[in-house]
Amino acid sequence: SQTIHQWPATLVQPVGSPLSLECTVEGTSNPNLYWYRQAAGRGLQLLFYSVGIGQISSEVPQNLSASRPQDRQFILSSKKLLLSDSGFYLCAWSARQGEYGYTFGSGTRLTVV
Amino acid sequence: GNSVTQMEGPVTLSEEAFLTINCTYTATGYPSLFWYVQYPGEGLQLLLKATKADDKGSNKGFEATYRKETTSFHLEKGSVQVSDSAVYFCALSERNGNKLVFGAGTILRVKS
Repeated sequence: SQTIHQWPATLVQPVGSPLSLECTVEGTSNPNLYWYRQAAGRGLQLLFYSVGIGQISSEVPQNLSASRPQDRQFILSSKKLLLSDSGFYLCAWSARQGEYGYTFGSGTRLTVV
Repeated sequence: GNSVTQMEGPVTLSEEAFLTINCTYTATGYPSLFWYVQYPGEGLQLLLKATKADDKGSNKGFEATYRKETTSFHLEKGSVQVSDSAVYFCALSERNGNKLVFGAGTILRVKS
């Protein structure tokens, strides 16, 4: 069966420090991969998605970047964190055909201080 | 473009009450429709889905029917429990698309 792992679960980082959040998927090949952010409140904002190694689409220009160095690995990064980067970050994967929906990771709570 | 509209919350109910959370959508073609649930501090979990008109998705006592004529996918449960307190998201996916479009989410609070 397919599983998705996301870490760390919580992170407290000072303003100006770098960020690296990692997400890996097991049990499937060629998944679509996604990074979402959920700020205060409950809305979900799609940040990046990837349909293959090295292929990244950015939905919202911001202080973050994403990379996909391997088929089932998706990394969210920042060189210098801002206070506004605080939030709950969710990774997800889907099969190529979107009709089956997404499977989400358990999320990373990032607090920038 | 594609969009999903959910009823504003929070929805506050007493235990064993009937639940309806409204969801309507705008999409080209024939999307698949989903309900996700997010418990406090956790990621989203797929609750149920429907992939074509008149399909009924069901899980854990929750149901939703894909109504093409009214472009709706309302979530219902006959008797809610305190443990159902969570945020519920309606979403759609185009059949050949890469992205899921989410509604804004509806907070459900169930009191004992």
